[in-house]
Amino acid sequence: DQQVKQNSPSLSVQEGRISILNCDYTNSMFDYFLWYKKYPAEGPTFLISISSIKDKNEDGRFTVFLNKSAKHLSLHIVPSQPGDSAVYFCAALYGQNFVFGPGTRLSVLP
Amino acid sequence: SAVISQKPSRDICQRGTSLTIQCQVDSQVTMMFWYRQQPGQSLTLIATANQGSEATYESGFVIDKFPISRPNLTFSTLTVSNMSPEDSSIYLCSAGLTGYSEQYFGPGTRLTVT
Repeated sequence: DQQVKQNSPSLSVQEGRISILNCDYTNSMFDYFLWYKKYPAEGPTFLISISSIKDKNEDGRFTVFLNKSAKHLSLHIVPSQPGDSAVYFCAALYGQNFVFGPGTRLSVLP
Repeated sequence: SAVISQKPSRDICQRGTSLTIQCQVDSQVTMMFWYRQQPGQSLTLIATANQGSEATYESGFVIDKFPISRPNLTFSTLTVSNMSPEDSSIYLCSAGLTGYSEQYFGPGTRLTVT
């Protein structure tokens, strides 16, 4: 049973527009959430995180929103740039339980 | 931050053989982890490599199949033993500076078993 889901395997967005990547989780014990970006032939790199005591965290063009009641989080990228084209993984953590989602491939079209 | 390197970057191996993957961190870190990413799948944690003691394996992974060493705070190895085609995956190591929440990943080792 997948504890962390990213139901869109892929997403295409025009350069300059907003990219919204979604993530759902099933375990209400998760108290920390992270987003990673992965380019081909490279390891994932940390993008942004959010604690369960917050509902929003912003870092430059990247904002993560957390809706605990819906067990849903989203990553907003504004404005999207071609260099943002990558696979984005959502991850959730509590204690020593650390789980990645299956990833969403984002393509930003020039 | 931490810079992680892995060797080899890729390999093609015969069924029944073993491959040892090396992971080197450019600074001393408390925690090192090993992950597997099967084709089309997400990253799955195999084990936590503990310095000076046996690794801690996640459910579904066993020491006989994936022996791990961690001789010091900057280096770890993962061996994939008695390989079968189902072991074809990308294997990644990571270093955790403050635990799971701050991990830096290596570039991965792409393993193909024929």
